[in-house]
Amino acid sequence: DGGITQSPKYLFRKEGQNVTLSCEQNLNHDAMYWYRQDPGQGLRLIYYSQIVNDFQKGDIAEGYSVSREKKESFPLTVTSAQKNPTAFYLCASQIDRYSGNTIYFGEGSWLTVV
Amino acid sequence: AQTVTQSQPEMSVQEAETVTLSCTYDTSESNYYLFWYKQPPSRQMILVIRQEAYKQQNATENRFSVNFQKAAKSFSLKISDSQLGDTAMYFCAFRPETSGSRLTFGEGTQLTVNP
Repeated sequence: DGGITQSPKYLFRKEGQNVTLSCEQNLNHDAMYWYRQDPGQGLRLIYYSQIVNDFQKGDIAEGYSVSREKKESFPLTVTSAQKNPTAFYLCASQIDRYSGNTIYFGEGSWLTVV
Repeated sequence: AQTVTQSQPEMSVQEAETVTLSCTYDTSESNYYLFWYKQPPSRQMILVIRQEAYKQQNATENRFSVNFQKAAKSFSLKISDSQLGDTAMYFCAFRPETSGSRLTFGEGTQLTVNP
C-alpha cells in the first residue's frame, strides 16, 4: 500500500543525546515536511524539502537537522541543542510544490525526553 | 505573515445534530487555498475538505460543507448528521497560491459527539 511511514512510533531520549526520526514515503512525492505538535496546540513547521538534495528551514528549525538524499526519505534529527524536544512529530508529503495539492500525513512519532 | 484563528477551543454536539466550527484568517494574498483537517485520537491528520479562494461555490464532501466568506476572511466547517466517529480535533489551515508556500494551521477545535 502507498503511504507515509514514520518510525519509531515512540522514542525516549536522554538529556544530551541526538535522536533521528525516520520518514519514508512510497508515493513518489517531491515535497516532504516535518511538523511539531505540542499538547493542545496546532502544527508548527520545522523543515521542508521541495526536491531531493534541497531543504529549507521552517518556523522552528533551531535544534533540528534534516537531509534529503533520496526522494522517498526525509529523516529528522533532534539534536541536544533542542531544549524542549518532548512533542509529537508529524511527517508529511505532497506530490509537488503546487500549493493547491493536498498534503498527506504520516501517523506520527512521539518523542519524550527522560 | 498569515495567521489562522480558531476561536472555539472545545465544542460538543449530540449525535445526528449539526455543528459549525469557526475559522478566520488574515492575509494580504488574493489567491490561496483553505483546508480543514481532522485529527482523531489516533493522531493521524486526515484531510476533510478543501476550498480554492477563487471559487465562489462552497465546497462540500458528503456530510461536511464549508461557508467561505472571502471578504470577511471566514471559513467555517459545518458537520451535518454528526456521528460518534466525528469526535476529533479539527484544524483549519491556510496556504497561499505561491508555489512552494507554507501551510499555516490554526490551534484547533476539539469536537466531541455525544451519544
